[in-house]
Amino acid sequence: QQQVKQSPQSLIVQKGGISIINCAYENTAFDYFPWYQQFPGKGPALLIAIRPDVSEKKEGRFTISFNKSAKQFSLHIMDSQPGDSATYFCAALNDYKLSFGAGTTVTVRA
Amino acid sequence: NAGVMQNPRHLVRRRGQEARLRCSPMKGHSHVYWYRQLPEEGLKFMVYLQKENIIDESGMPKERFSAEFPKEGPSILRIQQVVRGDSAAYFCASSVGTSGDTQYFGPGTRLTVL
Repeated sequence: QQQVKQSPQSLIVQKGGISIINCAYENTAFDYFPWYQQFPGKGPALLIAIRPDVSEKKEGRFTISFNKSAKQFSLHIMDSQPGDSATYFCAALNDYKLSFGAGTTVTVRA
Repeated sequence: NAGVMQNPRHLVRRRGQEARLRCSPMKGHSHVYWYRQLPEEGLKFMVYLQKENIIDESGMPKERFSAEFPKEGPSILRIQQVVRGDSAAYFCASSVGTSGDTQYFGPGTRLTVL
């Protein structure tokens, strides 16, 4: 069963626009929520992560918003650039085991 | 400091053959995780190993799949008598500590079964 649900499956954004990807989870034992960026033919690379005692974390153009009561979290990519075109995965950690969302393919049009 | 290394990057096998995938963790990392990614899907946990120990193999198919992480050398994921459904990308990740939170992924091995 999919423990982490991710949407949308894909999105297209203009250069300079905002990309928003949403994830939801059920298991309250999850205690760490990373986002990974994956380019074709490459492995996932850790982008940014948050713990549930924090509601927002920002690193450069990337921001995670976390809503513990709703069991939802989202990634915002500000000022999207063509180089941001990739597949983004949300994930949630319980002990040592990461559960991944199905991924969102982001295409940034110049 | 080299990242997680995996080889081969691409592997083609015929049905019934064996596939052996190797993973060398980052320097100083003694915890290794294997994940499988099917087309258009997220990664699925397979197994977690420490040196000479399998800690959790709950995500591994019960038959034909095995993993090891010997005292010396890389971690090996072994798939015996491969079938077409085994075609996927297999990723290895490593971490320093036991919490597993910061897992660094390798480039993956793309297995194609003909």
